[in-house]
Amino acid sequence: EDQVTQSPEALRLQEGESSSLNCSYTVSGLRGLFWYRQDPGKGPEFLFTLYSAGEEKEKERLKATLTKKESFLHITAPKPEDSATYLCAVQEGDNYGQNFVFGPGTRLSVLP
Amino acid sequence: DAGVIQSPRHEVTEMGQEVTLRCKPISGHDYLFWYRQTMMRGLELLIYFNNNVPIDDSGMPEDRFSAKMPNASFSTLKIQPSEPRDSAVYFCASTLRGIGSPLHFGNGTRLTVT
Repeated sequence: EDQVTQSPEALRLQEGESSSLNCSYTVSGLRGLFWYRQDPGKGPEFLFTLYSAGEEKEKERLKATLTKKESFLHITAPKPEDSATYLCAVQEGDNYGQNFVFGPGTRLSVLP
Repeated sequence: DAGVIQSPRHEVTEMGQEVTLRCKPISGHDYLFWYRQTMMRGLELLIYFNNNVPIDDSGMPEDRFSAKMPNASFSTLKIQPSEPRDSAVYFCASTLRGIGSPLHFGNGTRLTVT
């Protein structure tokens, strides 16, 4: 059965204190790994897509990396506005179907 | 681009009542997904459509749940009769055809069944 886990469950950082979030997955055929940010009362907001091991994507203070079994979301010098829940999802499927499986998320709090 | 639009944003109803949630996907997207989010179970896929046709409804918890997509710009998720354990945030998302296309989510409907 496809599974996606995330760690830690919650993370508190001081402003400027860099850290990494982990997403581990087991799928039969990875089509894509996605990172999302979710603010309270809102839907998940798309951040990155990674397709193959070794790939990296960056956006402002965030950098996502991918290996064959896990992905990391590195947060460099975070600011309070980076506080949110970060979700990862894996996509597996064939040319006809699509299926996205989400992890439970990491709640990030960045204190000023 | 208006994004995915869901209505209502909040719904409070009594047990046994019928509830209808609505979704307008992003124009041109041919996949539409319904998810449910709770603290205990996170985001769970309920059903998804491709070109208005239901492809996988294995996540629909019971026969009390039904979903339709009568055209490319509108979908509904109906719960009849509703129960307190249905209380959750329900999200609609859409995406373009193709492997690797990300989901784009609406802001959800928070359903409370008393």
